[in-house]
Amino acid sequence: EVQVVESGGGLEQPGRSLRLSCSASGFNFGDYVINWVRQAPGKGLEWVGFIRSRAYGATTDYAPSVRGRFTISRDDTTNIAYLQMNSLKVEDTAVYYCCRLPGNWGSDHPFDLWGQGTLVTVSS
Amino acid sequence: DIVMTQSPDSLAVSLGERATINCKSSQSVISSANNRNYLVWYQQKPGQPPKALIYWASTRASGVPDRFSGSGSGTDFTLTINSLQAEDVAVYYCQQYRNTPFAFGPGTKVDIK
Repeated sequence: EVQVVESGGGLEQPGRSLRLSCSASGFNFGDYVINWVRQAPGKGLEWVGFIRSRAYGATTDYAPSVRGRFTISRDDTTNIAYLQMNSLKVEDTAVYYCCRLPGNWGSDHPFDLWGQGTLVTVSS
Repeated sequence: DIVMTQSPDSLAVSLGERATINCKSSQSVISSANNRNYLVWYQQKPGQPPKALIYWASTRASGVPDRFSGSGSGTDFTLTINSLQAEDVAVYYCQQYRNTPFAFGPGTKVDIK
């Protein structure tokens, strides 16, 4: 089955760290950009960042709100992408989704596969 | 950074009638390399992840009913739902991915009148 599944969410205190995982199956993971998108309770969608495919250097880019605190990485041997979240803030509380984008953004079917998300709660 | 806006914030439409949602980007989302608009429309129902409905501003994703259509180019875009069905009640978002940071619109909530 073609799917991505997020895990690793939970309750953490402000200033602490958490690492989320995005496990992929059923498709050639290495060919895709993996994005992280979050949604605070009752709010809209916010793009967090992405990691390009290895063919495009596996480089990363981030939203200004998380740059310097969050790091995205990938392991194409295990088909898992990670979101390392450091220096957590209360405003990072959200459901975190991963989704795929073809490695060549000019390809069809962008953002066609999303996981169910994992909830991160930052509170003292 | 590109900023996305949507209008209206919400709308209520009778079953079988048309719903129209507008999306505007602060800069053009057309790529000069392929002349495509890097604009996606999503539908999100409560408790579910977003579902991509339309990409390239006007191409329906696989399995999306043809009552959903997208139009527009450059900075102004429209999502039209013809003959609204009960299952179309949701929040609809536009997103640009021409430049990072990718940006979503604030969303438009569609209800039944």
